[in-house]
Amino acid sequence: KAGVTQTPRYLIKTRGQQVTLSCSPISGHRSVSWYQQTPGQGLQFLFEYFSETQRNKGNFPGRFSGRQFSNSRSEMNVSTLELGDSALYLCASSTDLVSYEQYFGPGTRLTVT
Amino acid sequence: TQLLEQSPQFLSIQEGENLTVYCNSSSVFSSLQWYRQEPGEGPVLLVTVVTGGEVKKLKRLTFQFGDARKDSSLHITAAQPGDTGLYLCAGASGGSARQLTFGSGTQLTVLP
Repeated sequence: KAGVTQTPRYLIKTRGQQVTLSCSPISGHRSVSWYQQTPGQGLQFLFEYFSETQRNKGNFPGRFSGRQFSNSRSEMNVSTLELGDSALYLCASSTDLVSYEQYFGPGTRLTVT
Repeated sequence: TQLLEQSPQFLSIQEGENLTVYCNSSSVFSSLQWYRQEPGEGPVLLVTVVTGGEVKKLKRLTFQFGDARKDSSLHITAAQPGDTGLYLCAGASGGSARQLTFGSGTQLTVLP
C-alpha cells in the first residue's frame, strides 16, 4: 500500500498570505489528523476528520481550518499567515478507532517570511 | 489538558551502550504509542501498548506501560547508529476527547 502523501513538501509564504496544504491518506483509512511540529512546542494536534466531518479540534486559532473529501483526502488551510506559523505540518491517517495509531506523511515544511 | 513529559530531552551515547527513555504523565491513557522520527520525515509508529504493566519487545527495543497506565519507558539494548532519531511517546485518550497527546521528544544520537 502506498503511504500517506503530502503536497507540497516545501512552501515559502509571506506574512498575511494564506496557504492550503494537501494530504492523501493510506487507502482504506478514513481518519485524517493534522499536526503542527515546531522546535519549541513539539508536535501539537490541530484537528481530525472522519468521513468528511471534523471530529476533534486542538487549541489553535480559527485561522487554521481543514476539510475532508469523500475520497478521504484532506486539506488544511491557514489564513493571514504569521511568522509563528512557520513549522512542519504533518498529516496522519488511521484506521484504528481504539488506539488511534497514526501513520504519518513526510510533512510540509512551511516558512513564513 | 493532558501532558506527557519525556526525559531525557537529549541523549548522546556510544554504539553498544544501553539507554532508557521515560514518558510520564499524571493522566491515565487508554493506550500509549512510541514513534521514531528521522530528519525530513514524519514519525513512524514503533509500538502500541494498551494494558497496564504490558511489556513489548521489538528486537533490541523493550517498551513498558506502567501499571496505572500513566507512564511508559523505552529501553534500547546495545544501541546502534541506526537508532539515531527523535523518539516520541503519545498517549491516546478515549471518549469524546479522542486525540493523541505527544510528549516533547527525546533526541537520541548514537555515535559509532
